Order: sequence, then structure tokens, then C-alpha cells
Amino acid sequence: EAGVTQFPSHSVIEKGQTVTLRCDPISGHDNLYWYRRVMGKEIKFLLHFVKESKQDESGMPNNRFLAERTGGTYSTLKVQPAELEDSGVYFCASSQQGAVGYGYTFGSGTRLTVV
Amino acid sequence: KQEVTQIPAALSVPEGENLVLNCSFTDSAIYNLQWFRQDPGKGLTSLLLIQSSQREQTSGRLNASLDKSSGRSTLYIAASQPGDSATYLCAVRGGTSYGKLTFGQGTILTVHP
Repeated sequence: EAGVTQFPSHSVIEKGQTVTLRCDPISGHDNLYWYRRVMGKEIKFLLHFVKESKQDESGMPNNRFLAERTGGTYSTLKVQPAELEDSGVYFCASSQQGAVGYGYTFGSGTRLTVV
Repeated sequence: KQEVTQIPAALSVPEGENLVLNCSFTDSAIYNLQWFRQDPGKGLTSLLLIQSSQREQTSGRLNASLDKSSGRSTLYIAASQPGDSATYLCAVRGGTSYGKLTFGQGTILTVHP
């Protein structure tokens, strides 16, 4: 089966611009998660979708970040306007619905650099 | 709030050595614990998943143990190879929030020939 796909793999934008990251989960996985790792820190949770609904968005840093999951399929994460501290690697992961005992499958990540 | 700590932060060993990576967590009410590997510029590859009711899992040269009551897990790598060089991440799922993983900062492993 195809894995979790993220694009772009890299993005360099100027401070104040807008960037949209996309994640395509494994087909049939209702749970979709966004995480990010900023320089020197551990990977941290951003939010969790179950199908198209936001289950937990407690990790979203501020209202410059907007995540959507149209039709319960792919998800986008928009940063508007981007700030320097938003630089890092953004990971997407998916897992089966109700499968608390199952692990996650992660995508390769999007490396975002804000200059 | 769940916190995960990994020790050591970095480890360099000669090829062929057996080694142990450590992970500790503060909230023992977890659903499972997962060990990942990350190669430079790549995503996270799941190595082993241990359910909260299990004590260990094995895959090839890798063995992970879980002591939930003491909040500890270890990843044992037997007969290390240069291809094992990567960052190893421990993550726990559960605690007070359903679904999300809490990660440690990782152990950077270098196996030299």
C-alpha cells in the first residue's frame, strides 16, 4: 500500500508570506495527525483529525496556523503569515480509526524555512 | 503532562557492539510505546510498537522492553552495523490525551566500521 505522502518536501519562504503544506494519508486511515520539529527541540503534536473533524487541536501554536481536511481525505496545513520561528520540519501521520493499539505511519515531512 | 526523556543524547560505537538506548516517561498511563528511526532528511520509520500490556517486542536484531510501572523502555540493538546509524526516537501514546504521541528528543547513534 502507498504510504503517507507529504508535499512539498522543502519550502523556503519569506517572513510574512503564506505557505500551504499537504498530506495524503494512507487510504482508509481515518486518523490524521500533524506534528512538527523545530531546531533543537523534540517532535511536538499539533493536531489530530478523525475523518474531517478536528479531534484535538491543542498543539496548534497560534491562529496563524489553519488545518483542514476536506472530505476526510487529504489534509492541508496553512501558515499565514509565516514567522521565522515557524521554521522546522512538519510531519504528517495516519492510523486506523479506533485502533488505539496500532502504531502510526509517518510521512517524510516538509522542511519549512522562513527567511 | 507527559514528558519523555531519552538517554544518551548521542552514542558512537564500533561496528559489532551490542548497545542499549534508554527512554523514560513520567505518566505511566499509556496505551502503547513506539520506537522510531529517522535517517537524515527522511521521515520516521516505525521499528517496534509495544502495547501497554506487553513487556517486550522483538524484530530481527532489535528488542524493545517496556516497564510501564517504572516508566521506562529500552531498545537493545545486537551486533550493530554502520547502517544502523540514525536518530532513534521513543514516543508514548496515551496518558491524558487520546491519540497523540509524546516524543523524546532522540538518541543520535553512529556506528563506525
